[in-house]
Amino acid sequence: RKEVEQDPGPFNVPEGATVAFNCTYSNSASQSFFWYRQDCRKEPKLLMSVYSSGNEDGRFTAQLNRASQYISLLIRDSKLSDSATYLCVVNIITGNQFYFGTGTSLTVIP
Amino acid sequence: DTGVSQDPRHKITKRGQNVTFRCDPISEHNRLYWYRQTLGQGPEFLTYFQNEAQLEKSRLLSDRFSAERPKGSFSTLEIQRTEQGDSAMYLCASSLAGTAEKLFFGSGTQLSVL
Repeated sequence: RKEVEQDPGPFNVPEGATVAFNCTYSNSASQSFFWYRQDCRKEPKLLMSVYSSGNEDGRFTAQLNRASQYISLLIRDSKLSDSATYLCVVNIITGNQFYFGTGTSLTVIP
Repeated sequence: DTGVSQDPRHKITKRGQNVTFRCDPISEHNRLYWYRQTLGQGPEFLTYFQNEAQLEKSRLLSDRFSAERPKGSFSTLEIQRTEQGDSAMYLCASSLAGTAEKLFFGSGTQLSVL
């Protein structure tokens, strides 16, 4: 079983739409959680950390549900520039490894 | 530029050749990670260092792969006797150990084995 599972999509949404991505993780020893954004043929870049209380950064909202072991990312008022792959990342205490999901592809359509 | 830098950006080699990649982390970061990424997949962990000590190695890292971080600053990843299956993007990331640890990636080295 993979440490982190994501729906690969693709998600194709019109500009202005709201879109949500979910991610599940298997190891209850996971201690920190992130969403990274990766543009085609570029390196992953940190989008936001995910906290138990939930956190918001502009149009982006991240939620963590430890009981169900899932993480979500909500993007409101989608822009063309949001088109990218969104990677869910989990850090596990044991071995201090960061595990990445396969990524969810988003295309925002004019 | 104070980000993570990797060299070269692209490497084309013939099967059986050895290749070496270099990563220079953000200067104050004490942890350095190597990942491999193929098309349509997320980055897969290979190994990481805290200062000069190599603390974890993935089962993916065969005997043909070796990584070093001799002075706790830059790191090299060497692949010996390359195979076509080694073709991938090799990503380096650095971080500062602590409860708020986050990874910062370099631009990667794209390896093509012919």
